Amino acid sequence: AQKITQTQPGMFVQEKEAVTLDCTYDTSDQSYGLFWYKQPSSGEMIFLIYQGSYDEQNATEGRYSLNFQKARKSANLVISASQLGDSAMYFCAMSSGPNTGFQKLVFGTGTRLLVSP
Amino acid sequence: GAVVSQHPSRVICKSGTSVKIECRSLDFQATTMFWYRQFPKQSLMLMATSNEGSKATYEQGVEKDKFLINHASLTLSTLTVTSAHPEDSSFYICSARRLVGTQYFGPGTRLLVL
Repeated sequence: AQKITQTQPGMFVQEKEAVTLDCTYDTSDQSYGLFWYKQPSSGEMIFLIYQGSYDEQNATEGRYSLNFQKARKSANLVISASQLGDSAMYFCAMSSGPNTGFQKLVFGTGTRLLVSP
Repeated sequence: GAVVSQHPSRVICKSGTSVKIECRSLDFQATTMFWYRQFPKQSLMLMATSNEGSKATYEQGVEKDKFLINHASLTLSTLTVTSAHPEDSSFYICSARRLVGTQYFGPGTRLLVL
């Protein structure tokens, strides 16, 4: 079974600084996908970034980058130049393996990020 | 990114009544839609996977007779909470996915059962 672990319940960062949100995963599948979502107080889940298990390069999307270390089974999210609007809950998720068509997402418990001026 | 809508955004109902929540993919055809539940300060838990034109697949522990899911078209899935009780109060979120690719989430529906 897949499992996502986010060990940081909360993180603080100052505006314009970079912050790393930790995510480790456990799976027996050889092929899987890793996602990060942002959930502001309004509740909607906003897709940020995706990393495939066979992707050799770390994914980047604007200020977001995913530090993928396959051997350590970690997929940390790095937010550069934090903005006040980045304050939200962040969830790491993994799609299950090929037997389910990579459909199901398993979520971690989330990390609440607060960006201060 | 793709747009997924949910209606209503929040609903308050009396215990024993049924509530229907709609999930629509607005700018793409979703072969698969998912329904999640999120309790306060907790993570999302998958309730069921819905493929257009077929019966939904429910996760272990989710009562299919209580949470009725219909995926009648490639752009619409509905979740009906039947005979709702206070313990069903939660945040319900749907997501939609093309044949392959990322899941895009709706804005969620807050259900409060009195």
